[in-house]
Amino acid sequence: QKEVEQDPGPLSVPEGAIVSLNCTYSNSAFQYFMWYRQYSRKGPELLMYTYSSGNKEDGRFTAQVDKSSKYISLFIRDSQPSDSATYLCAMIQGAQKLVFGQGTRLTINP
Amino acid sequence: GAGVSQSPSNKVTEKGKDVELRCDPISGHTALYWYRQSLGQGLEFLIYFQGNSAPDKSGLPSDRFSAERTGGSVSTLTIQRTQQEDSAVYLCASSYRVSDEQFFGPGTRLTVL
Repeated sequence: QKEVEQDPGPLSVPEGAIVSLNCTYSNSAFQYFMWYRQYSRKGPELLMYTYSSGNKEDGRFTAQVDKSSKYISLFIRDSQPSDSATYLCAMIQGAQKLVFGQGTRLTINP
Repeated sequence: GAGVSQSPSNKVTEKGKDVELRCDPISGHTALYWYRQSLGQGLEFLIYFQGNSAPDKSGLPSDRFSAERTGGSVSTLTIQRTQQEDSAVYLCASSYRVSDEQFFGPGTRLTVL
Protein backbone atom coordinates (compact mmCIF):
# COMPACT_ATOMS: atom_id res chain seq x y z
CA GLN A 1 0.00 0.00 0.00
CA LYS A 2 1.31 3.42 -0.96
CA GLU A 3 1.90 5.97 1.78
CA VAL A 4 -0.16 8.53 -0.14
CA GLU A 5 -3.18 7.61 -2.25
CA GLN A 6 -4.67 9.90 -4.88
CA ASP A 7 -7.25 9.13 -7.52
CA PRO A 8 -5.49 9.66 -10.87
CA GLY A 9 -8.73 10.60 -12.65
CA PRO A 10 -9.02 11.90 -15.28
CA LEU A 11 -11.51 14.44 -13.97
CA SER A 12 -13.42 16.64 -16.41
CA VAL A 13 -15.74 19.45 -15.30
CA PRO A 14 -17.38 22.48 -16.95
CA GLU A 15 -15.96 25.96 -16.54
CA GLY A 16 -17.19 27.65 -13.37
CA ALA A 17 -17.68 24.41 -11.44
CA ILE A 18 -16.22 23.76 -7.99
CA VAL A 19 -13.53 21.12 -8.14
CA SER A 20 -12.65 18.86 -5.24
CA LEU A 21 -9.36 16.93 -5.25
CA ASN A 22 -8.44 14.56 -2.44
CA CYS A 23 -5.65 12.47 -0.99
CA THR A 24 -5.45 10.01 1.86
CA TYR A 25 -2.31 8.99 3.68
CA SER A 26 -1.24 6.31 6.10
CA ASN A 27 1.78 7.82 7.88
CA SER A 28 0.60 9.81 10.90
CA ALA A 29 4.06 11.39 11.19
CA PHE A 30 3.48 13.57 8.14
CA GLN A 31 3.48 17.17 9.31
CA TYR A 32 3.42 19.35 6.21
CA PHE A 33 0.98 19.06 3.34
CA MET A 34 1.27 20.57 -0.08
CA TRP A 35 -0.55 20.78 -3.38
CA TYR A 36 1.41 21.14 -6.60
CA ARG A 37 0.11 21.94 -10.06
CA GLN A 38 1.87 20.52 -13.09
CA TYR A 39 1.18 21.60 -16.64
CA SER A 40 2.06 19.28 -19.49
CA ARG A 41 5.80 19.02 -20.11
CA LYS A 42 6.58 21.31 -17.15
CA GLY A 43 7.84 20.75 -13.62
CA PRO A 44 5.42 20.91 -10.68
CA GLU A 45 4.82 24.30 -9.07
CA LEU A 46 3.70 24.80 -5.48
CA LEU A 47 0.09 25.96 -5.04
CA MET A 48 -0.65 25.55 -1.36
CA TYR A 49 1.37 24.68 1.76
CA THR A 50 -0.31 23.82 5.05
CA TYR A 51 0.86 22.59 8.40
CA SER A 52 -2.05 22.14 10.75
CA SER A 53 -5.53 20.70 10.44
CA GLY A 54 -8.12 23.11 9.12
CA ASN A 55 -8.58 25.27 6.04
CA LYS A 56 -6.23 27.61 4.23
CA GLU A 57 -7.54 29.86 1.49
CA ASP A 58 -5.69 31.60 -1.32
CA GLY A 59 -7.86 33.25 -3.93
CA ARG A 60 -9.94 30.59 -5.66
CA PHE A 61 -8.04 27.78 -3.94
CA THR A 62 -8.76 26.27 -0.52
CA ALA A 63 -6.64 23.55 1.06
CA GLN A 64 -8.16 21.45 3.81
CA VAL A 65 -6.33 19.10 6.15
CA ASP A 66 -7.95 16.59 8.50
CA LYS A 67 -5.15 14.88 10.41
CA SER A 68 -7.53 12.73 12.44
CA SER A 69 -8.84 11.14 9.24
CA LYS A 70 -5.52 11.38 7.38
CA TYR A 71 -7.28 13.14 4.55
CA ILE A 72 -6.45 16.30 2.64
CA SER A 73 -8.39 18.17 -0.01
CA LEU A 74 -7.95 20.98 -2.51
CA PHE A 75 -10.99 22.93 -3.65
CA ILE A 76 -10.97 25.13 -6.73
CA ARG A 77 -13.83 27.63 -7.01
CA ASP A 78 -14.97 29.21 -10.26
CA SER A 79 -12.74 26.85 -12.21
CA GLN A 80 -11.15 28.18 -15.40
CA PRO A 81 -9.78 26.38 -18.48
CA SER A 82 -6.34 27.60 -17.40
CA ASP A 83 -6.72 25.40 -14.29
CA SER A 84 -6.49 22.32 -16.53
CA ALA A 85 -3.41 20.48 -15.30
CA THR A 86 -2.32 17.58 -13.13
CA TYR A 87 -2.63 18.26 -9.41
CA LEU A 88 -0.32 16.43 -7.04
CA CYS A 89 -0.62 16.24 -3.30
CA ALA A 90 2.62 15.91 -1.36
CA MET A 91 3.58 15.41 2.26
CA ILE A 92 6.71 15.71 4.29
CA GLN A 93 7.82 14.37 7.65
CA GLY A 94 10.22 16.60 9.48
CA ALA A 95 12.87 17.93 7.11
CA GLN A 96 12.98 15.00 4.77
CA LYS A 97 11.93 14.16 1.25
CA LEU A 98 8.51 14.82 -0.19
CA VAL A 99 6.17 11.89 -0.71
CA PHE A 100 3.80 12.50 -3.59
CA GLY A 101 0.43 11.18 -4.56
CA GLN A 102 -0.02 9.82 -8.06
CA GLY A 103 -1.55 13.08 -9.32
CA THR A 104 -5.04 13.81 -10.64
CA ARG A 105 -5.39 14.98 -14.22
CA LEU A 106 -8.01 17.75 -14.35
CA THR A 107 -9.65 19.25 -17.44
CA ILE A 108 -11.89 22.30 -17.27
CA ASN A 109 -14.13 22.49 -20.33
CA PRO A 110 -15.08 25.96 -21.66
CA GLY B 1 15.87 35.33 -11.24
CA ALA B 2 16.70 32.12 -13.07
CA GLY B 3 14.89 29.00 -12.00
CA VAL B 4 16.12 25.42 -11.89
CA SER B 5 17.43 24.28 -15.25
CA GLN B 6 17.97 20.76 -16.51
CA SER B 7 19.70 19.33 -19.52
CA PRO B 8 19.11 17.71 -21.86
CA SER B 9 15.36 18.24 -22.10
CA ASN B 10 15.02 14.96 -23.98
CA LYS B 11 17.33 11.96 -24.17
CA VAL B 12 16.85 8.84 -26.25
CA THR B 13 19.31 6.04 -25.63
CA GLU B 14 19.73 2.37 -26.33
CA LYS B 15 19.39 -0.28 -23.68
CA GLY B 16 22.71 -0.90 -21.96
CA LYS B 17 24.15 2.57 -22.53
CA ASP B 18 25.06 4.98 -19.72
CA VAL B 19 23.39 8.40 -19.48
CA GLU B 20 24.13 11.57 -17.52
CA LEU B 21 21.47 14.09 -16.61
CA ARG B 22 22.38 17.55 -15.38
CA CYS B 23 20.69 19.92 -12.95
CA ASP B 24 21.54 23.55 -12.25
CA PRO B 25 19.77 24.63 -9.06
CA ILE B 26 18.73 28.13 -8.13
CA SER B 27 21.75 30.09 -6.95
CA GLY B 28 22.07 30.04 -3.16
CA HIS B 29 19.87 27.00 -2.65
CA THR B 30 21.58 24.52 -0.36
CA ALA B 31 19.25 21.56 -0.88
CA LEU B 32 18.91 19.68 -4.18
CA TYR B 33 16.59 16.78 -4.96
CA TRP B 34 16.14 14.29 -7.77
CA TYR B 35 12.77 12.67 -8.51
CA ARG B 36 11.53 10.29 -11.17
CA GLN B 37 8.07 10.58 -12.70
CA SER B 38 6.77 7.54 -14.56
CA LEU B 39 3.40 7.08 -16.22
CA GLY B 40 0.86 6.21 -13.56
CA GLN B 41 3.42 6.30 -10.75
CA GLY B 42 3.55 9.90 -9.66
CA LEU B 43 6.80 11.43 -8.46
CA GLU B 44 9.22 9.07 -6.81
CA PHE B 45 12.03 10.43 -4.63
CA LEU B 46 15.52 9.32 -5.67
CA ILE B 47 18.17 11.28 -3.75
CA TYR B 48 18.76 14.57 -2.02
CA PHE B 49 21.78 16.68 -1.13
CA GLN B 50 21.94 19.18 1.72
CA GLY B 51 25.00 21.39 1.90
CA ASN B 52 28.12 19.37 2.60
CA SER B 53 26.27 16.56 4.36
CA ALA B 54 26.27 13.02 3.02
CA PRO B 55 23.42 12.64 0.52
CA ASP B 56 20.26 10.70 1.32
CA LYS B 57 20.34 7.95 -1.31
CA SER B 58 17.46 5.97 0.11
CA GLY B 59 15.29 6.35 -3.00
CA LEU B 60 17.75 5.13 -5.61
CA PRO B 61 16.15 2.03 -7.17
CA SER B 62 19.38 0.14 -7.88
CA ASP B 63 23.16 0.47 -7.84
CA ARG B 64 23.02 1.47 -11.50
CA PHE B 65 21.85 4.89 -10.30
CA SER B 66 24.25 7.40 -8.77
CA ALA B 67 24.41 11.14 -8.34
CA GLU B 68 26.92 13.74 -7.34
CA ARG B 69 26.83 17.41 -6.57
CA THR B 70 30.00 19.33 -7.26
CA GLY B 71 30.89 22.45 -5.31
CA GLY B 72 27.49 22.54 -3.67
CA SER B 73 25.86 23.61 -6.94
CA VAL B 74 25.46 21.60 -10.16
CA SER B 75 24.34 18.00 -9.84
CA THR B 76 24.62 15.07 -12.23
CA LEU B 77 22.44 11.95 -12.10
CA THR B 78 24.07 8.99 -13.81
CA ILE B 79 22.28 5.84 -14.88
CA GLN B 80 24.54 3.00 -15.95
CA ARG B 81 23.53 0.15 -18.24
CA THR B 82 20.12 1.67 -18.85
CA GLN B 83 17.05 -0.56 -18.98
CA GLN B 84 13.67 0.08 -20.63
CA GLU B 85 12.05 0.46 -17.22
CA ASP B 86 14.31 3.48 -16.62
CA SER B 87 12.25 5.42 -19.19
CA ALA B 88 10.66 8.31 -17.30
CA VAL B 89 10.88 12.04 -16.69
CA TYR B 90 13.67 12.87 -14.26
CA LEU B 91 12.95 16.01 -12.26
CA CYS B 92 15.34 18.06 -10.22
CA ALA B 93 14.29 20.48 -7.48
CA SER B 94 16.13 22.83 -5.17
CA SER B 95 15.25 24.70 -2.00
CA TYR B 96 16.97 27.30 0.16
CA ARG B 97 16.93 24.85 3.06
CA VAL B 98 15.63 21.29 3.34
CA SER B 99 12.32 22.34 4.93
CA ASP B 100 11.61 25.15 2.46
CA GLU B 101 9.56 25.15 -0.73
CA GLN B 102 11.08 23.05 -3.47
CA PHE B 103 11.32 24.64 -6.89
CA PHE B 104 11.27 22.18 -9.77
CA GLY B 105 13.04 22.22 -13.08
CA PRO B 106 11.29 21.24 -16.34
CA GLY B 107 12.68 17.72 -16.25
CA THR B 108 14.60 15.47 -18.61
CA ARG B 109 12.48 12.99 -20.55
CA LEU B 110 14.50 9.78 -20.87
CA THR B 111 13.52 7.11 -23.36
CA VAL B 112 15.39 3.82 -23.39
CA LEU B 113 14.85 1.82 -26.57
